[in-house]
Amino acid sequence: DIQMTQSPSTLSASVGDRVSITCRASQSIGTWLAWYQQRPGKAPKLLIYKASSLESGVPSRFSGSGSGTDFTLTISGLQPDDFATYYCQQYNTYSTFGQGTKVEIQ
Amino acid sequence: QVQLVQSGGEVKKPGASVKVSCKASGYTFATFGISWVRQAPGQGLQWMGWISGYNGHTNYAEKVQGRVTMTTDTSTSTVYMELRSLRSDDTAIYYCARTSVSSSDSMDVWGQGTTVTVSS
Repeated sequence: DIQMTQSPSTLSASVGDRVSITCRASQSIGTWLAWYQQRPGKAPKLLIYKASSLESGVPSRFSGSGSGTDFTLTISGLQPDDFATYYCQQYNTYSTFGQGTKVEIQ
Repeated sequence: QVQLVQSGGEVKKPGASVKVSCKASGYTFATFGISWVRQAPGQGLQWMGWISGYNGHTNYAEKVQGRVTMTTDTSTSTVYMELRSLRSDDTAIYYCARTSVSSSDSMDVWGQGTTVTVSS
């Protein structure tokens, strides 16, 4: 199985900050990586697919980068709605999620 | 609009089975697949498996292989996920999510989730 490791587990930030979350795969997955946002009590929402492609309707302050084993989700100018938990997902071989990164208000 | 609507919450005893449904609408059912993802209380997301809306082909995660069966009813655009021999650690919210016709892909539309509680 491909393991996905996210860091940090928790991130404290303020509105307007630029924040980055990293995701590392246990083996190369090319660019077969997605990022999701999950707010409490809600289903996950797709933000980024194929490592860097922005899902339709998602604000441009969200961006993704990386390939192979190392990936990054960046939020440029954190908004109040962005305080949530973020997950990466590999889909090179079946599917695996990272353990999640909670972005909380500092 | 594209929508996945899941069946209601369930309470089951250990050793029982549960069958959760996911009704798709707003798109051509046979051109996409459905993945099932679960989330135990306070925990992260766990992929359980995938089924093709085109031919019913499935792939299951090793962790639930042998206890899970995913099926489709193309006449009603509904996908079913049955989990057998339930244990307390199967207590979770179960989500269905639309994915591509391939087993491995991102998930762009999600159901509202179905809470399954396993308790004696």
